[in-house]
Amino acid sequence: AQTVTQSQPEMSVQEAETVTLSCTYDTSESNYYLFWYKQPPSRQMILVIRQEAYKQQNATENRFSVNFQKAAKSFSLKISDSQLGDTAMYFCAFMSTGQGGSEKLVFGKGTKLTVNP
Amino acid sequence: DTEVTQTPKHLVMGMTNKKSLKCEQHMGHRAMYWYKQKAKKPPELMFVYSYEKLSINESVPSRFSPECPNSSLLNLHLHALQPEDSALYLCASSQDRDLAGRGTDTQYFGPGTRLTVL
Repeated sequence: AQTVTQSQPEMSVQEAETVTLSCTYDTSESNYYLFWYKQPPSRQMILVIRQEAYKQQNATENRFSVNFQKAAKSFSLKISDSQLGDTAMYFCAFMSTGQGGSEKLVFGKGTKLTVNP
Repeated sequence: DTEVTQTPKHLVMGMTNKKSLKCEQHMGHRAMYWYKQKAKKPPELMFVYSYEKLSINESVPSRFSPECPNSSLLNLHLHALQPEDSALYLCASSQDRDLAGRGTDTQYFGPGTRLTVL
C-alpha cells in the first residue's frame, strides 16, 4: 500500500520569505500523480499544484513550485514570496494511475503553515 | 470553473434524526467522492461514485447511505448517527477517465458541511 509522509507538523515563515514543505512517499508503482492541497482555516480544500510522475520537469504555479525527485520518492513544495493568505494546512497526496476507474487519494498528515507579518 | 457546492454549511442533529447532505458540480465530472475529516487530520475517503455507480465503499457504517441521482448530484443520507460521527464532510469530484484512459483525475473539493451530532 502507498504511504505519504509529511515530517513537519508545523512550520512558520515571515511574510515575503521562502519556505519549503517536505513530503516523501512510498510506492512500487511507476506511474502516478502527486498533489499538494491547501486548506485554509475557512476549510475549503484547494488544489495548489499537481505533478505527473512520468514528467521530469517540476511543476510550477506562480509562487508555488515543487522539487520532484522520483528516485528518492520526494515531492517538496516551495512557496516563494510568502503571503499572509498562504496560512493554511498543506496536504501532500498520492494517486496511482491504475487501469480505469476512479483512484484513491492517499494523504499525508499535513503541515500547518503560518505566515507571520 | 472548478466549483463544487455543498449544502448545508452547518448541520446539527440528534442521534435519532434523519438528515441529508447534498453536493453538486457542473463541471461534467463523472466521479464523485465523499470524505470525512476530523479536526487537524487529513480527509478519509468514505465513498466513490463512478458514472453514477458506487465503485468504492470504504467499509462505512450503514447509518451513512450515499446516493447519486444523476451525474451532477451526490447525496449522503444520515440516520441514527453517533456523536463520534461529528466531523467535516467533504465532497469532491473528478473527471474520470474514459475508455481510452484519458482524463486528469484531479479531485476538486467542495467547502464541506460541518456536522455536529448531539
